[in-house]
Amino acid sequence: AQSVTQLGSHVSVSEGALVLLRCNYSSSVPPYLFWYVQYPNQGLQLLLKYTTGATLVKGINGFEAEFKKSETSFHLTKPSAHMSDAAEYFCAVSPMNTGNQFYFGTGTSLTVIP
Amino acid sequence: DAEITQSPRHKITETGRQVTLACHQTWNHNNMFWYRQDLGHGLRLIHYSYGVQDTNKGEVSDGYSVSRSNTEDLPLTLESAASSQTSVYFCASSSSGSTDTQYFGPGTRLTVL
Repeated sequence: AQSVTQLGSHVSVSEGALVLLRCNYSSSVPPYLFWYVQYPNQGLQLLLKYTTGATLVKGINGFEAEFKKSETSFHLTKPSAHMSDAAEYFCAVSPMNTGNQFYFGTGTSLTVIP
Repeated sequence: DAEITQSPRHKITETGRQVTLACHQTWNHNNMFWYRQDLGHGLRLIHYSYGVQDTNKGEVSDGYSVSRSNTEDLPLTLESAASSQTSVYFCASSSSGSTDTQYFGPGTRLTVL
């Protein structure tokens, strides 16, 4: 079974500082990779995804993530945090050739300090 | 605009009662999914469907059932609600294939007393 690890269940950054949220997956065959954001009392919204091609993918709200096969990682970054970035972030993987099943990490809660 | 809706948004029920949570999507997606979200566990897959009359068990399917009689709806039934099923439930849908984005509904908060 797929395993997705998000290091750090809570991350705090100052407004304007770099945001780095970590995601590692366990699979010998790289899956498709997704980052979702969840604002309080809402459903999940796609930030970005990697399927094929360029390993650095850009998403909404200034976020980007880089797929590193050698490190089995797909870390999410944003150069400068805004107060509006405070939310829960989930990494998810979709193994190839298994329909569209997603396996989610346990989430990272991002706090932005003014 | 296409959307995915869930009802009710909040539900309180008693142990042993049957409960059905509705999920309706207007994306015309083949795939539909039910997840539960609990602190420390992220989202865990309950059941999923790849088309009409198709249903499959997910990671935490015990005590839950689904049926898919049309493309738009995938209701989730708790046969006999238990306190351990107190959770937030999310429905999602996607077109097809491993690369497709899943689109999520707003969630249903269920409390079992």
